[in-house]
Amino acid sequence: AQSVTQPDIHITVSEGASLELRCNYSYGATPYLFWYVQSPGQGLQLLLKYFSGDTLVQGIKGFEAEFKRSQSSFNLRKPSVHWSDAAEYFCAVGFTGNQFYFGTGTSLTVIP
Amino acid sequence: GAVVSQHPSRVICKSGTSVKIECRSLDFQATTMFWYRQFPKQSLMLMATSNEGSKATYEQGVEKDKFLINHASLTLSTLTVTSAHPEDSSFYICSATGQGHWRSPLHFGNGTRLTVT
Repeated sequence: AQSVTQPDIHITVSEGASLELRCNYSYGATPYLFWYVQSPGQGLQLLLKYFSGDTLVQGIKGFEAEFKRSQSSFNLRKPSVHWSDAAEYFCAVGFTGNQFYFGTGTSLTVIP
Repeated sequence: GAVVSQHPSRVICKSGTSVKIECRSLDFQATTMFWYRQFPKQSLMLMATSNEGSKATYEQGVEKDKFLINHASLTLSTLTVTSAHPEDSSFYICSATGQGHWRSPLHFGNGTRLTVT
């Protein structure tokens, strides 16, 4: 069965530090990969997506993610975190037939 | 850009009553809509997928008789929580995609906070 795993439930980083959020998937083929951010009480905002091509994807708000087929991973990175980046981050995968699943989410806390 | 409107944003109802949540695509034809449920501090759980004019496909463990989904037009899908109970209290979010855009369902509603007392 397909699955999406975000191993880190909660991460705390200092403002200005770099950030990496992990995402792994289990699927027989390459799925379509997404990262979303959810601020408290808000809906979801798409940060970036990967369908094919260049495995390093640039998104909004200075985020990027790298698809690594050999590791079935799609980790989200940001070189320098801002206090406003504190939120819940969800990795999601899309499969054929309109199936679309979210990871369990990683809560990011940014300390001054 | 494409907008999905979800209404109401918050609803409080008494146990045993039914609540209807609407999800509208404002500027595109949503051939497929997804309904998710999110528990506090947890991820989104896909409840069902509905294609316009067809019966919804429910995920395993989701009671179809309790969570009625209707997708009668290309711009509107509704989720009705029937005979609501306190354990149904949750955050419900819809997402919509248009024809040929299933790979990029980036149009989400802002969610509905349901509290059952």
